Amino acid sequence: GAVVSQHPSWVICKSGTSVKIECRSLDFQATTMFWYRQFPKQSLMLMATSNEGSKATYEQGVEKDKFLINHASLTLSTLTVTSAHPEDSSFYICSASSDRNEKLFFGSGTQLSVL
Amino acid sequence: DAKTTQPTSMDCAEGRAANLPCNHSTISGNEYVYWYRQIHSQGPQYIIHGLKNNETNEMASLIITEDRKSSTLILPHATLRDTAVYYCIAQGDEYGNKLVFGAGTILRVKS
Repeated sequence: GAVVSQHPSWVICKSGTSVKIECRSLDFQATTMFWYRQFPKQSLMLMATSNEGSKATYEQGVEKDKFLINHASLTLSTLTVTSAHPEDSSFYICSASSDRNEKLFFGSGTQLSVL
Repeated sequence: DAKTTQPTSMDCAEGRAANLPCNHSTISGNEYVYWYRQIHSQGPQYIIHGLKNNETNEMASLIITEDRKSSTLILPHATLRDTAVYYCIAQGDEYGNKLVFGAGTILRVKS
């Protein structure tokens, strides 16, 4: 199946710094990518829909100025957690597909730990 | 999106069939039933999806009741590697492929 690569797999940062997570579709073009967050022992929570060449659409309760999403090309979307705080520590997962009617493929996730 | 209800957890003996139920009694006519699974600390993995008819692929079978109010995912010969959280999602195509995950079922395959 299609491959979605997510980098880094894990990151530790100091409180107040910003962290960028990359999501790449390796063998297909993705006009839309999705970003999820998952806390321990909880389900995935959809954060935002990333659209190539346009602004991301954020789910209710997700701060757009806190979680900056850029989808500059058909194969790359980035999520930047700005001024990270310990409560932002979580597992972040991206997903993508080649078409809105196709199944989603997920990245392997990024574990963010903010000290 | 139709709400789905799944048991919190299930156990299955290695080598036996694992049958995971899902209720989606409010599902509408254009909503598909998707199944994904998530092994610990990894991203979710697509398993199978269907609309009305039963579906089978190399991973699993999906049995959807005639009234479409419930479905069952069948892993024919469960292995220890199938231990994971299994998510059943009912999603209409008006949302494209945006998926909203519920709590899922923790499947433990035991030797």
